[in-house]
Amino acid sequence: AQKVTQAQTEISVVEKEDVTLDCVYETRDTTYYLFWYKQPPSGELVFLIRRNSFDEQNEISGRYSWNFQKSTSSFNFTITASQVVDSAVYFCALSEAEADSSYKLIFGSGTRLLVRP
Amino acid sequence: EPEVTQTPSHQVTQMGQEVILRCVPISNHLYFYWYRQILGQKVEFLVSFYNNEISEKSEIFDDQFSVERPDGSNFTLKIRSTKLEDSAMYFCASSEGVRDHEQYFGPGTRLTVT
Repeated sequence: AQKVTQAQTEISVVEKEDVTLDCVYETRDTTYYLFWYKQPPSGELVFLIRRNSFDEQNEISGRYSWNFQKSTSSFNFTITASQVVDSAVYFCALSEAEADSSYKLIFGSGTRLLVRP
Repeated sequence: EPEVTQTPSHQVTQMGQEVILRCVPISNHLYFYWYRQILGQKVEFLVSFYNNEISEKSEIFDDQFSVERPDGSNFTLKIRSTKLEDSAMYFCASSEGVRDHEQYFGPGTRLTVT
């Protein structure tokens, strides 16, 4: 069964703190993709990153970094030196890539991040 | 930069009425999806569409729902007889391919059923 768990419902930090959002996934497929999306208060879903299951290299993009560990089925997201504009709900998602897959996204329940000035 | 567009942004309808939610995917994209998000909850997959047919649908996507790509640009979701529990944000997404491609989401249509 496919499942994405984001155990942290809500996190509150003060500006400039680092914060890590956890994501744990379950899948029986050997080929899959993991994603993070941001949903700001305006409601749209903004794509942040995609990783495939064969690429465990960590990635850094500006203040954002991602740690993918297949051994623990985790794909965690860290924001360094958080800013008020980072306040949003962040969703982790899984897409399975086996034969006949439609590559639909299976989302976690999201983590609401509040960055206070 | 190309983007997915959705209309209307907000639709209010009475229970039992039919609604059509419209989406214009990014022009060179081939894979299309509808998702919904009940207020405060996670985003749920409804249906995927490729090559003019449904490739997968979820349990939510029952006989009351249908999708269509009536021309080369629009992708619509129809709910035949709306129920109170259909109130949600409906997101359209499109993707150029499936392997190594992300889905780009539209801004959503907020459907309120009264």
